[in-house]
Amino acid sequence: GQQVMQIPQYQHVQEGEDFTTYCNSSTTLSNIQWYKQRPGGHPVFLIQLVKSGEVKKQKRLTFQFGEAKKNSSLHITATQTTDVGTYFCAGQSTDMGSNYKLTFGKGTLLTVNP
Amino acid sequence: NAGVTQTPKFRVLKTGQSMTLLCAQDMNHEYMYWYRQDPGMGLRLIHYSVGEGTTAKGEVPDGYNVSRLKKQNFLLGLESAAPSQTSVYFCASSFTYRVSNTGELFFGEGSRLTVL
Repeated sequence: GQQVMQIPQYQHVQEGEDFTTYCNSSTTLSNIQWYKQRPGGHPVFLIQLVKSGEVKKQKRLTFQFGEAKKNSSLHITATQTTDVGTYFCAGQSTDMGSNYKLTFGKGTLLTVNP
Repeated sequence: NAGVTQTPKFRVLKTGQSMTLLCAQDMNHEYMYWYRQDPGMGLRLIHYSVGEGTTAKGEVPDGYNVSRLKKQNFLLGLESAAPSQTSVYFCASSFTYRVSNTGELFFGEGSRLTVL
């Protein structure tokens, strides 16, 4: 079945350093979504990427979708303490037989030292 | 506008007891989902519904049942709770204008369940 692998599992940075998390799917994806979950909170939608090679920016966050639509990345420039949390990718299958299943990666926990 | 509301937020059960988690959304979304979140495991789909009166199994459906009698509500039931069901449960909903693209999922605040 479809698997979505996310690395690293943990990342600790000094405030001001950059951060990147990577997401890789075993199958081609229809689209990929990214979510942020603050400690003790619930996942909150950040963005969705649909097109091959797509790049989207939200202030200090840059999201990329690979040309083959099997991988994605989230890059944060100059991290701040407000960036602390777990970042999840969620890839949607192109397989009608699996009802276009949405599979979450296990997440990357980002901690920021002020 | 409340969004997605889950009740209860916390519950402690003894092994073998039953309970129901309620999820309510006021966004007129067609799709609703129940996930469980365990440390290091991410979010795993238990059951989902693509509309009123319909339900389907997700990745980890065993030990759970669901019902969607009204479009705005999605209930998750545990008939005989086990310690392995200790987890944080999240309900989510989505508008889903096209089945191949669920669109943004809106999550509730979660329900923390402990089974002793």
